Amino acid sequence: EPEVTQTPSHQVTQMGQEVILRCVPISNHLYFYWYRQILGQKVEFLVSFYNNEISEKSEIFDDQFSVERPDGSNFTLKIRSTKLEDSAMYFCASSELGGGFDNQPQHFGDGTRLSIL
Amino acid sequence: SQKIEQNSEALNIQEGKTATLTCNYTNYSPAYLQWYRQDPGRGPVFLLLIRENEKEKRKERLKVTFDTTLKQSLFHITASQPADSATYLCALANNAGNMLTFGGGTRLMVKP
Repeated sequence: EPEVTQTPSHQVTQMGQEVILRCVPISNHLYFYWYRQILGQKVEFLVSFYNNEISEKSEIFDDQFSVERPDGSNFTLKIRSTKLEDSAMYFCASSELGGGFDNQPQHFGDGTRLSIL
Repeated sequence: SQKIEQNSEALNIQEGKTATLTCNYTNYSPAYLQWYRQDPGRGPVFLLLIRENEKEKRKERLKVTFDTTLKQSLFHITASQPADSATYLCALANNAGNMLTFGGGTRLMVKP
């Protein structure tokens, strides 16, 4: 069964440094998402992306965050100047179509654990 | 503000019994509701989706109900097995369907 893959599985970065998290969504999917989960807390939405544009973003997704689909397969999340509170598990997800269509589950990767020191 | 609440206490049941998990929401009018399973250190895995005009949905040993009047969904696992032990997440989509808001999840422990 096709999977969403994320790399690296664990990223350790010094506070203030830039970090790029990478995702390869399922190949025929058109909608892409990033979520984060701070240890012991809820999964929180960050951003959704379709047709090379952000379609929705949360309050968490401030100017320090950006997303890009640099080629036909990768989907990246960049954090420009990391803070201690950015430490979390970051999940990428994709869906074949958007939520306006019936039965559009999101398929999640197993995440990148980001640790800010 | 919008809230999704799941019982934060772990649910412990004996193998073979039916597990029932609850998801309550306020200040939402969702078009549909989704249930996911999350194992430790893994991403959520989609289980079932139910639309607002559906009362009940089944898939193998899983059953979901959706009561838009009570603003509640119930998730049932019949004939539970130790392998069903995981955290179960309820999620609601915004009107555009491009953003999921998750509940805090309920941890289910099925004892042999």
